[in-house]
Amino acid sequence: DSGVTQTPKHLITATGQRVTLRCSPRSGDLSVYWYQQSLDQGLQFLIQYYNGEERAKGNILERFSAQQFPDLHSELNLSSLELGDSALYFCASRDHRAGNTIYFGEGSWLTVV
Amino acid sequence: GEDVEQSLFLSVREGDSSVINCTYTDSSSTYLYWYKQEPGAGLQLLTYIFSNMDMKQDQRLTVLLNKKDKHLSLRIADTQTGDSAIYFCAESNSGYALNFGKGTSLLVTP
Repeated sequence: DSGVTQTPKHLITATGQRVTLRCSPRSGDLSVYWYQQSLDQGLQFLIQYYNGEERAKGNILERFSAQQFPDLHSELNLSSLELGDSALYFCASRDHRAGNTIYFGEGSWLTVV
Repeated sequence: GEDVEQSLFLSVREGDSSVINCTYTDSSSTYLYWYKQEPGAGLQLLTYIFSNMDMKQDQRLTVLLNKKDKHLSLRIADTQTGDSAIYFCAESNSGYALNFGKGTSLLVTP
């Protein structure tokens, strides 16, 4: 158990819909990262937050947005979903105190039908 | 963006050593990581190495870093069937995001 919690574990939704994925980082970790894993694109970095502020943006689509709340949990919002958005979405948190180790959650499997 | 390259597939016999190789292009990488992903599971951090080190050993795992050639390797001693998984190499520059390779599928045969 990495200590990073993601919900839901599995989600099936229709094209055009909107979903929210939730992440609770490890206790005390201030940085949260979101990644998308698909067969053709591999692991793609989407966005990073540090203590509530956006820190870095990767290949995140305009239809996607995220935020980190004062309690440090984060949400990834995916809207106007397309079939190609079907993927495994990972959240990770960074322990800046211990060699910058980055721990991943179990992921949220999103299937768009 | 910067690239991280890994071979896609490796097959070894149980009890042998496995060596998974990785090359990266970003000379400002400060941390290099190895993650393991089993089918249907998340990414498990195996080990990491700071860029000013050239070797790190942790039980059956040995990480070698050649910073001049930007080459990283993961050696698994006495490989077991439970080591069958996808192994990802990743690099990071200080507090920034990890940049992953596409992963090496390790198959351990009895």
